[in-house]
Amino acid sequence: KNQVEQSPQSLIILEGKNCTLQCNYTVSPFSNLRWYKQDTGRGPVSLTIMTFSENTKSNGRYTATLDADTKQSSLHITASQLSDSASYICVVEYGNKLVFGAGTILRVKS
Amino acid sequence: NAGVTQTPKFRILKIGQSMTLQCTQDMNHNYMYWYRQDPGMGLKLIYYSVGAGITDKGEVPNGYNVSRSTTEDFPLRLELAAPSQTSVYFCASSPLQGAAQPQHFGDGTRLSIL
Repeated sequence: KNQVEQSPQSLIILEGKNCTLQCNYTVSPFSNLRWYKQDTGRGPVSLTIMTFSENTKSNGRYTATLDADTKQSSLHITASQLSDSASYICVVEYGNKLVFGAGTILRVKS
Repeated sequence: NAGVTQTPKFRILKIGQSMTLQCTQDMNHNYMYWYRQDPGMGLKLIYYSVGAGITDKGEVPNGYNVSRSTTEDFPLRLELAAPSQTSVYFCASSPLQGAAQPQHFGDGTRLSIL
């Protein structure tokens, strides 16, 4: 079964600290992997998209990594800010279909 | 830049009522999608469209209908609302498929069926 699992479910960190969110998938055949940020009460916004041949991609303080062999991805947030408080969703595409993870809820405290 | 606009933002329906969730995009995207997001779950695809006049079922289409008469608009119709349809509904659009195009989402319609 095609699944995307994210961990942890939720995370609280202090402002200025780094954190890493995990995504494991069983989707096959794999096309690309996406990370989205969803603020409370808003729609998801794309952060990164990585194809099979890419193993890292950055967007400002966000860096995504992909290990297609182990079917794992991570999203690293550097020097967190209060505005990083959101849900982070991992999405894997196969064919023309997308499988969404349930998301990791991140709260950044001052 | 408006992007993807959804209306209404909130709605409460009684069981058995019907309604249409509106979605419009101004980016001239061919692909449009309707998802529902339930607490603690990943988004589920309801219906999608690859262009005006063409629609197809997603993962959870039962109880819903769509139409796509123009490139810009993709309304979602709920007939005979049921409590199981209480959810947050998101509309999204993307350019022609390929080259890993990101989807652009609206801000959702929060629907409660009582």
